[in-house]
Amino acid sequence: GDSVTQMEGPVTLSEEAFLTINCTYTATGYPSLFWYVQYPGEGLQLLLKATKADDKGSNKGFEATYRKETTSFHLEKGSVQVSDSAVYFCALNTGRRALTFGSGTRLQVQP
Amino acid sequence: NAGVTQTPKFRVLKTGQSMTLLCAQDMNHEYMYWYRQDPGMGLRLIHYSVGEGTTAKGEVPDGYNVSRLKKQNFLLGLESAAPSQTSVYFCASGGDRQSQETQYFGPGTRLLVL
Repeated sequence: GDSVTQMEGPVTLSEEAFLTINCTYTATGYPSLFWYVQYPGEGLQLLLKATKADDKGSNKGFEATYRKETTSFHLEKGSVQVSDSAVYFCALNTGRRALTFGSGTRLQVQP
Repeated sequence: NAGVTQTPKFRVLKTGQSMTLLCAQDMNHEYMYWYRQDPGMGLRLIHYSVGEGTTAKGEVPDGYNVSRLKKQNFLLGLESAAPSQTSVYFCASGGDRQSQETQYFGPGTRLLVL
């Protein structure tokens, strides 16, 4: 079946540091890939997505590239801020309408 | 435009009690979903609906029932709550013409079963 594997957290960084959160997937067919973010006490919000191989999704300084050859969709940001502290979820959708989520990675950014 | 709303925000139940969680969306989405979120396990799909009057089982449906009598509402019921159902429940909707695959989430309902 479909699955998503994320690096375990928490990831603790200082402000302005470079961020990478790894995500790899297993899926039948050609999934769309997503990163969702959950701020404390809130629901999930779509951060970015990519629908086909080599696509790059980007939003709010975050980027992720759909790598079919390595079945990966790593999330990166060049300079994190305290306000980026949240839980980040990688997810995929193979067209069966429901998302398959990774377990989430908590990011803590210190001033 | 409120997006996806959920009621209640928090509830404490005793084992064996029943309750219904309500989800409402004002985006005219066809698809609606119920997920539960447990520590270290991400979100798991309980039930979903592809349109008014339809429901289908997800990954972890046991102990839950759902109904979609109106397009904008999706109800999740627990007939006899168990401590294993202590979780945070999220409703989501999606499937409009512009973004068939993107889902929009509500703020969540925190449920504690004693």
